[in-house]
Amino acid sequence: GENVEQHPSTLSVQEGDSAVIKCTYSDSASNYFPWYKQELGKGPQLIIDIRSNVGEKKDQRIAVTLNKTAKHFSLHITETQPEDSAVYFCAASRIWGSGDKLTFGTGTRLAVRP
Amino acid sequence: EADIYQTPRYLVIGTGKKITLECSQTMGHDKMYWYQQDPGMELHLIHYSYGVNSTEKGDLSSESTVSRIRTEHFPLTLESARPSHTSQYLCASSGSGANVLTFGAGSRLTVL
Repeated sequence: GENVEQHPSTLSVQEGDSAVIKCTYSDSASNYFPWYKQELGKGPQLIIDIRSNVGEKKDQRIAVTLNKTAKHFSLHITETQPEDSAVYFCAASRIWGSGDKLTFGTGTRLAVRP
Repeated sequence: EADIYQTPRYLVIGTGKKITLECSQTMGHDKMYWYQQDPGMELHLIHYSYGVNSTEKGDLSSESTVSRIRTEHFPLTLESARPSHTSQYLCASSGSGANVLTFGAGSRLTVL
C-alpha cells in the first residue's frame, strides 16, 4: 500500500516569511495529491490539490509542487499570516480504482509568530 | 458551512459503557469514512463505506463497528468502551468519483 512521509513535524516562522512542508510517497501509481489544513477544534479542510499531469499549482499565497520522478511534493505558503497557524496534512492516492482511499502524512504543526 | 455533522462533540464516559458517535451528511455523498486522530495528530482510517449496506475496515484495527443503512448516516459504535479508546474521531464523506473529503468537526471521546 501507499506510504506518505511528511516533514517537518513542527514549523515556526515569523509573520511575513515563507513556510515549506515536504512529503514523499511510495506508490508510483498515485496520481492525486491534496493538502488539508486543520484549525484548532475543527476537522481538516482541503486547501489545494494537484494531479500528476501537473507540476505546479498556485492559489493566491499557497502553491504546491510535484516531482513524480522523485515521488515528492511540497506545500509553499508565502507571506505567512497568524491565521495560517494550523496543522497541515499532505495525502496521496490514485484517482480511480481500489487505491482511491487517501493515505495521509503525519502532519505538520505550523506556528506563525506575529 | 459544514455539511457534515458529528454528535456529540465531546463525550466523557466510564469504562464498559456502550457509545454511539453519530455522523450525518447532507451532500448525498456515496463514500463515508471514520478516522481516528491521536494526540500526535496522525489520521488513521478505521472504517469506510462506499454506499448503503457497504462497510469495510480501514488500515488501523479498531474494536468499533459501523453501519450504513441510509446514505446520509454513518454511525460508529463501541460496545464496551475502554481508556484505550480515548481519542478524537473524525467523520468524512466524498462524492462518487472524487477524492475530495469533507470532514466533520470531530467527536472527542474520553473513557475514564
